[in-house]
Amino acid sequence: EVQLVESGGGLVQPGRSLRLSCAASGFTFDDYAMHWVRQAPGKGLEWVSGISWNSGSIGYADSVKGRFTISRDNAKNSLYLQMNSLRAEDTALYYCAKGMDMWTLRPFDYWGQGTLVTVSS
Amino acid sequence: QSALTQPASVSGSPGQSITISCTGTSSDVGSYNLVSWYQQHPGKAPKLMIYEGSKRPSGVSNRFSGSKSGNTASLTISGLQAEDEADYYCCSYAGSSTFWVFGGGTKLTVL
Repeated sequence: EVQLVESGGGLVQPGRSLRLSCAASGFTFDDYAMHWVRQAPGKGLEWVSGISWNSGSIGYADSVKGRFTISRDNAKNSLYLQMNSLRAEDTALYYCAKGMDMWTLRPFDYWGQGTLVTVSS
Repeated sequence: QSALTQPASVSGSPGQSITISCTGTSSDVGSYNLVSWYQQHPGKAPKLMIYEGSKRPSGVSNRFSGSKSGNTASLTISGLQAEDEADYYCCSYAGSSTFWVFGGGTKLTVL
């Protein structure tokens, strides 16, 4: 059974940093692209970042480019999102999502339950 | 990259069919046959319902179908059931820098 478990969320002040993690199990992690998708309270979904199986292809939404960094450790079956210079508008539930294959142009077939990030002073 | 445009809400009675539109641009929906649709019930994670325009993942009812014409994609749900009441999001591949863009979401109410 595919499982994606996010962690690392919490309350953080504007301008500070936070690192999210996603622990994957139930599939061969290094065969698949992975993504982060967020949802602000009461709002819609927003794709944040994606990474191919071998980290060779990485992309970011314009809203986070230059502040967020996605990475993965295939040996640990884990996906990460380093979030710097956080803003109030980054407040959201952050989902980890699995791509349908190794490339980032396939959609997301499994999602975690999300980790909540709140940016506030 | 701007969000795709969806109606805020649609409604239908049990047994009826509804269609949700998703309008993008020639840079996303119009350029790729890579539109997907997600269903999200309150407090739950999204679920993939349609991908690559019209394909259904294993386990998704054939009451759900997708299509595309030009810069607009559509999701049709036939034989509406109470459990179809949820938020629906379209999503399109948008190129090799900003990979994906979502629509604003449509709330489906089954009357």
